Amino acid sequence: GQQLNQSPQSMFIQEGEDVSMNCTSSSIFNTWLWYKQDPGEGPVLLIALYKAGELTSNGRLTAQFGITRKDSFLNISASIPSDVGIYFCAGRRYAGANNLFFGTGTRLTVIP
Amino acid sequence: DAGVIQSPRHEVTEMGQEVTLRCKPISGHNSLFWYRQTMMRGLELLIYFNNNVPIDDSGMPEDRFSAKMPNASFSTLKIQPSEPRDSAVYFCASSEAGAGELFFGEGSRLTVL
Repeated sequence: GQQLNQSPQSMFIQEGEDVSMNCTSSSIFNTWLWYKQDPGEGPVLLIALYKAGELTSNGRLTAQFGITRKDSFLNISASIPSDVGIYFCAGRRYAGANNLFFGTGTRLTVIP
Repeated sequence: DAGVIQSPRHEVTEMGQEVTLRCKPISGHNSLFWYRQTMMRGLELLIYFNNNVPIDDSGMPEDRFSAKMPNASFSTLKIQPSEPRDSAVYFCASSEAGAGELFFGEGSRLTVL
């Protein structure tokens, strides 16, 4: 299947610090999505990106759709304890495609 | 508004037993997906349906796995016979066709002893 490489695999940060994670692919994607998964729950959509170069914010979260269409990054500013979880990138290859390919996830731990 | 509903949330069974996982997608969504999540392999797509029709089942591990969607509001994923390596969290997700924004259920955690 399609491979989305996500980095870093895990992060340990102090509360209040900013966080940055990214996702790369060898193929072009039409859509990039970022999800967060809390323990024992399903992934929840955070941000959706539909155009190359697009920069979108959702509260303290900011994500960008890379200009090459092969990458995306997610930033979290001023982290808080409830940011703990696993963050997944996901991509859709072309417009109208139903299937999403998921990255391997970044496990975030916030130390109070 | 109810999200994707999965049952059971947890199942522990013995090797060789049949397992049936159930999913009710969000009303009005016409695409339904079954994913499996493990530590080693992450989130893997098993199969997805559009308008109740299976479109891509290339992710189904082997013949022991089968999935059905008899109507727009219900789907099952069946494993028969189950094996310990099937232990994982199985997620159902749904979306409007082509929208690409999947909404996930809370998952069914399967343990096969």
